[in-house]
Amino acid sequence: IQMTQSPSLLSASVGDRVTLSCKAGQNINNDLAWYQQKLGEAPKVLIYNANSLRTGIPSRFSGSGSGTDYTLTISSLQPEDVATYFCQQYNSWTTFGSGTKLEIK
Amino acid sequence: QIQLVQSGPELKKPGESLKISCKASGYTLTDYAVQWVKQAPGKGLQYMGWINTQTGKPTYAEDFKERFVFSLETSASTAYLQINNLKNEDMATYFCARQGFIYWGQGTLVTVSS
Repeated sequence: IQMTQSPSLLSASVGDRVTLSCKAGQNINNDLAWYQQKLGEAPKVLIYNANSLRTGIPSRFSGSGSGTDYTLTISSLQPEDVATYFCQQYNSWTTFGSGTKLEIK
Repeated sequence: QIQLVQSGPELKKPGESLKISCKASGYTLTDYAVQWVKQAPGKGLQYMGWINTQTGKPTYAEDFKERFVFSLETSASTAYLQINNLKNEDMATYFCARQGFIYWGQGTLVTVSS
């Protein structure tokens, strides 16, 4: 299943509300996770089952969506959120999106 | 605490082989599958497949059915990724991850250069 993320690069200011998009090639029934990857590190899961926040992840991160369209929202961007964000579907095998690189303006 | 610790960076020539290790601690290796993920320089994540740690049976993604071998040494709580006949396009960071993708190794950088 193809996963398409947009935008590929996002520049925003500290405190902004940020929305990242992920579109699946077919209905994935909320079998979607969001990862944060900082430079030189392994990816870290933030959200699973489309909208469940992993324990220990700040509440400014949230996930939503259904069917083929999903969103990761950061309610108030912090400097430590600079990273690349990937979505992953696990409905059929598993595939990752190409990522959104988030930087501070 | 649960950790996956991978072997160090590799520098190889085209045509050579290598074997990356992924040592699990803080849990029993055979309780969870081990997954492998490739990340080419500046690129996204590509799922390579997984190994059933109870049976040793590997399952490969389509792009990794040739030249790639997943294996185990359960007595050492270690999973391995072997890449044979290395090509330039194998240059990447390779990650192991426990089933569920909550726990990841730190990644192993593989450089292929003549």
